[in-house]
Amino acid sequence: QAVVTQEPSLTVSPGGTVTLTCGSSRGPVTSGHFPYWVQKKPGQAPRTLIHDITDRHPWTPARFSGSLLGVKLALTLSDAQPEDEADYYCLVTYAGVVVFGGGTRLTVL
Amino acid sequence: EVQLLESGGGLVQPGRSLRLSCTASGFTLSAYGMVWVRQAPGKGLEWISAIVGGEGDTYYADSLKGRFIISRDDSTNTLALQMHSLRPDDTATYYCAKGLGMYSTQPVVWGQGTTVTVSS
Repeated sequence: QAVVTQEPSLTVSPGGTVTLTCGSSRGPVTSGHFPYWVQKKPGQAPRTLIHDITDRHPWTPARFSGSLLGVKLALTLSDAQPEDEADYYCLVTYAGVVVFGGGTRLTVL
Repeated sequence: EVQLLESGGGLVQPGRSLRLSCTASGFTLSAYGMVWVRQAPGKGLEWISAIVGGEGDTYYADSLKGRFIISRDDSTNTLALQMHSLRPDDTATYYCAKGLGMYSTQPVVWGQGTTVTVSS
């Protein structure tokens, strides 16, 4: 099974910009891996922010954007807000089987 | 409005079985891929299994294959997860989620979760 790697923790200042990345032990992440980004706050259900690299859902604030950075998936948060403090997980799919990354704890401070 | 309501969680002894249910409303279950994901205390999200729409092909995480079985009841619009030989490290909050399309195995719309505690 693939190992999907994310930064364990990052800090961003309010109003600042930060980029989270997601890499796979199986090689470059591509659209064929149906990459997603999921936000998880304590005591709340997860919320999927981005699907298929770049596509936001109706509930996803425009300050979140997805992209590819070289061989990795990326999530950029612009104009960070205090309510964006959360754990962020990427996922990739191989032959229908989904693998989550270990998550990035984002602190807005 | 799409809604997912998990049930069936609770305290169970190691080695026993437990069946979780997820009642869907606002859409037809058989038209979408459906997913189970869990989160153990202090740990990350772990994808467990998915069942796609239509004929319902199933997919499992390698580590759980054989112990967990996903299924769907189209007559009641309910998703299920049958868990066998439960271990303490199966203790987690279990979420069901709806996929984007018929063959999606990725979670998009999530339920609130049900908590399973495996302990003697």
